[in-house]
Amino acid sequence: EDQVTQSPEALRLQEGESSSLNCSYTVSGLRGLFWYRQDPGKGPEFLFTLYSAGEEKEKERLKATLTKKESFLHITAPKPEDSATYLCAVQAHRDDKIIFGKGTRLHILP
Amino acid sequence: DAGITQSPRHKVTETGTPVTLRCHQTENHRYMYWYRQDPGHGLRLIHYSYGVKDTDKGEVSDGYSVSRSKTEDFLLTLESATSSQTSVYFCAIWNPDRRYEQYFGPGTRLTVT
Repeated sequence: EDQVTQSPEALRLQEGESSSLNCSYTVSGLRGLFWYRQDPGKGPEFLFTLYSAGEEKEKERLKATLTKKESFLHITAPKPEDSATYLCAVQAHRDDKIIFGKGTRLHILP
Repeated sequence: DAGITQSPRHKVTETGTPVTLRCHQTENHRYMYWYRQDPGHGLRLIHYSYGVKDTDKGEVSDGYSVSRSKTEDFLLTLESATSSQTSVYFCAIWNPDRRYEQYFGPGTRLTVT
């Protein structure tokens, strides 16, 4: 059974304090690993898709990396507007299901 | 913007009544998904569709059915709503032809009393 575990559940950082969010996964034949941002009361917003170990993608202060067992979302010098819940999801080659972890609630203090 | 709308956006219904939620997309995507989101559980897949009349179950499909008679519409039906189905429901589309991106609708908040 495919599984996605995100840690920590919640994280409070000072503005400018860099950190990383973790997404550990168990899936037979990874097709893609997805990262999303979700603001309160809204649907998740797509950030990245990673396909193979060693791949990295960047967008503004965010950088996502992938190994064979986990993915990290690195946040460099965060700002209060980066506060949100960050979600990780995986998809296997064998079907079209996209399965999510429970998310990490990130709060950036000014 | 992937042109995804959900209706209704809010609904309150009584236990035992049938409820249908609608997801509509304007960009002719083949794949559509229904999720529910609850505190402590995150997003859980209910059903998904890979084409007109082609659907499959997700992680939490009991008590839910779906239909897709047109590419643009994916309906989620609760045949007899229960209080445990109080949740926020999200529809999403997935486009394997565009960097595997998945886009979500704004959600429907359903309360079953």
